[in-house]
Amino acid sequence: GESVGLHLPTLSVQEGDNSIINCAYSNSASDYFIWYKQESGKGPQFIIDIRSNMDKRQGQRVTVLLNKTVKHLSLQIAATQPGDSAVYFCAECRNKAAGNKLTFGGGTRVLVKP
Amino acid sequence: NAGVTQTPKFQVLKTGQSMTLQCAQDMNHNSMYWYRQDPGMGLRLIYYSASEGTTDKGEVPNGYNVSRLNKREFSLRLESAAPSQTSVYFCASSVTGEVSPLHFGNGTRLTVT
Repeated sequence: GESVGLHLPTLSVQEGDNSIINCAYSNSASDYFIWYKQESGKGPQFIIDIRSNMDKRQGQRVTVLLNKTVKHLSLQIAATQPGDSAVYFCAECRNKAAGNKLTFGGGTRVLVKP
Repeated sequence: NAGVTQTPKFQVLKTGQSMTLQCAQDMNHNSMYWYRQDPGMGLRLIYYSASEGTTDKGEVPNGYNVSRLNKREFSLRLESAAPSQTSVYFCASSVTGEVSPLHFGNGTRLTVT
């Protein structure tokens, strides 16, 4: 999920399968993490968030897992649908004292095959 | 309830021209942000405003200025556009006081030739 310039990592998933998107973060002081979905031509759309005092949080068809030991974040999408095709970004809040500023990863493209 | 509205949606400028990107939110949020997104990359923070009357630099502020006109509106100005400023610009807003999700507009796609 880190920046790789022009070439986004791509995850191809069969419709109905589960998707797992991974993200590594570097700052052990980060205490808030968010996943966004971005469809072509649109702005990022909030999916789910998690605070550092948790290791798992579930939403509708999505689960976020946080492993602070290895500084790793993942987003699991259950029963992936064609509408899930998009670019997914993780973001972290690195310095809560300096305000609600998010630092974004480079994104992962998810392609859902019918 | 439109959320975050950005204008224009598309703009082409010649090198050296100036322009202002407009952003307005109707969610009564105190904090507003400007990010840029380059092809295949994540979003980078240009400027942000924690509350009306305050603005601060983000990660990539050079070549830009901002104005927090009132609680609803936060504009981004390019005084002398350069090809390196070709990008998609996103405005966002959030509540203040605790970390919380940013709500984004649909962007302004800017090309500088």
